[in-house]
Amino acid sequence: DTAVSQTPKYLVTQMGNDKSIKCEQNLGHDTMYWYKQDSKKFLKIMFSYNNKELIINETVPNRFSPKSPDKAHLNLHINSLELGDSAVYFCASSHLGGVAGANVLTFGAGSRLTVL
Amino acid sequence: GENVEQHPSTLSVQEGDSAVIKCTYSDSASNYFPWYKQELGKRPQLIIDIRSNVGEKKDQRIAVTLNKTAKHFSLHITETQPEDSAVYFCAAVISGYALNFGKGTSLLVTP
Repeated sequence: DTAVSQTPKYLVTQMGNDKSIKCEQNLGHDTMYWYKQDSKKFLKIMFSYNNKELIINETVPNRFSPKSPDKAHLNLHINSLELGDSAVYFCASSHLGGVAGANVLTFGAGSRLTVL
Repeated sequence: GENVEQHPSTLSVQEGDSAVIKCTYSDSASNYFPWYKQELGKRPQLIIDIRSNVGEKKDQRIAVTLNKTAKHFSLHITETQPEDSAVYFCAAVISGYALNFGKGTSLLVTP
């Protein structure tokens, strides 16, 4: 069983388009994240949700809008795509503090977005 | 937010030698320091972590040391093997919630 699954795995699109990436976890974690990994391999936090509530929103253009319908799902919608949005987007999940294994991230396989 | 600096950015060692990667962090309240390994085209995966109540932790050929006073922690890999070749990331917790990652170290182990 895949613990953190995200779709699609690959996404190629034109500048100006709108696209979404979906993520689901079956680990019973209460917190989910989106990370962006650029061509230099930098892994940068974008958003974090705890029990469907946004708790971290780093400096990300408002063209990026996360949505968490429940604590097992966290989707990412991107409007008006730009060339610089090309990257691998990783979804991850964890428990928050206070429990064994807190903050240990389990990553999805990544979604490679290419904007032409 | 938490600033995590990682060095070196690239590291090349001969098989059987040791490799050391160092990280510093800025927030003295940080209390959790994991290391992730990312093989080419794969997702990052946790290899070892340390919490601030211990100074060292070992798991077979890998170990992590933590110096809270100096705000730095290190990953040590002994008897390196070609399959250790990957990008390694250190991280520290920010805002009590998410992990902030260092910029990564690309380790190459040559036979």
